[in-house]
Amino acid sequence: GQSLEQPSEVTAVEGAIVQINCTYQTSGFYGLSWYQQHDGGAPTFLSYNALDGLEETGRFSSFLSRSDSYGYLLLQELQMKDSASYFCAVRGNSGNTPLVFGKGTRLSVIA
Amino acid sequence: DSGVTQTPKHLITATGQRVTLRCSPRSGDLSVYWYQQSLDQGLQFLIQYYNGEERAKGNILERFSAQQFPDLHSELNLSSLELGDSALYFCASSEQGVSTDTQYFGPGTRLTVL
Repeated sequence: GQSLEQPSEVTAVEGAIVQINCTYQTSGFYGLSWYQQHDGGAPTFLSYNALDGLEETGRFSSFLSRSDSYGYLLLQELQMKDSASYFCAVRGNSGNTPLVFGKGTRLSVIA
Repeated sequence: DSGVTQTPKHLITATGQRVTLRCSPRSGDLSVYWYQQSLDQGLQFLIQYYNGEERAKGNILERFSAQQFPDLHSELNLSSLELGDSALYFCASSEQGVSTDTQYFGPGTRLTVL
């Protein structure tokens, strides 16, 4: 099966940089995904890493180290609207395995 | 707006009752996934359908069932409801038949069982 660990809460200041870590255990591995969910809203896909290294999309970057079973989401130039929950997710690579989500990290951006 | 629609937005019912949640995927998407989100369990995968056929099953209770119709919309049926079934239910869709990492989520149905 798959399991993921991520911090439950993170607080950061507007304009700063914050990193949300995710470690995973999985039998087989395709890649690591990140989703954002605002309160009362739906999860929204942010990024996906299949290979080691950093993927950048605007203010958001995601990193993966397959050998360490570890990844992180980096948010730069934080804005108040970035306050949300962030979920990492993995899929095994045997057959049609579903996406398994971590329990989420609640990010609070303060002035 | 992801293009995935879900109805109803809110549902309040009593224990022992049965409800049906409806989902229409994005245009062109053949896979529909159902998830349950509660405070203590996070986002839990329930079931996936692809082009009308069940493709993967997660932690779905026997009291729950789903189907996908020829027009690709899907329904999740929850019966003999218990207080613990109160949660947000999301459906998501994707193009492929194999579960993908990029899924598009609907706005969810908030179910409250009293």
